[in-house]
Amino acid sequence: KAGVTQTPRYLIKTRGQQVTLSCSPISGHRSVSWYQQTPGQGLQFLFEYFSETQRNKGNFPGRFSGRQFSNSRSEMNVSTLELGDSALYLCASSLVPGGLVALNYGYTFGSGTRLTVV
Amino acid sequence: TQLLEQSPQFLSIQEGENLTVYCNSSSVFSSLQWYRQEPGEGPVLLVTVVTGGEVKKLKRLTFQFGDARKDSSLHITAAQPGDTGLYLCAGEAGNQFYFGTGTSLTVIP
Repeated sequence: KAGVTQTPRYLIKTRGQQVTLSCSPISGHRSVSWYQQTPGQGLQFLFEYFSETQRNKGNFPGRFSGRQFSNSRSEMNVSTLELGDSALYLCASSLVPGGLVALNYGYTFGSGTRLTVV
Repeated sequence: TQLLEQSPQFLSIQEGENLTVYCNSSSVFSSLQWYRQEPGEGPVLLVTVVTGGEVKKLKRLTFQFGDARKDSSLHITAAQPGDTGLYLCAGEAGNQFYFGTGTSLTVIP
């Protein structure tokens, strides 16, 4: 069974540009969550999608957005990139939405996209 | 302010030593999970604890959920270099999932 696939693995962008990251969840999983991971802040929740609807959103500026398609694949977009956006962006898929995840096999994470903003 | 605080933040020990990592919160969680993350990869689920006071063992790893379901601990016996990684606790409260601040463990051969 294929795991969670995130593309691209590495990305270098310049300040002011925008970027789109992609996540394909495990087949059958309908929930996709996005996290930003930095050495100083740890894992910070960005947003969660379930059946194409955004269920929860973390405390990030509006430059961060996402969406989920009917096949459960998800994309996140960051516009007007800043140096502080450099991070590992992780996608996690699960069978069920947040609140029930732990009792249903937990999250399966992708390997992440390493974004560097210069 | 993080909902789940882990301690210590960093831990460097010799192979064969024992260690304990703590995950604390002022909130009650319906369940807690522990993940391990290796460099360049995403976190991988180790265990889920659901009942207050529950203890689960995974080979040399022992996980405990506090009686009040506000805290958890991970104890590793006879640590090996393969245990090196970032250990994250995570819990569900309401309809959201929260990750802890993380403990970076290095086991020196």
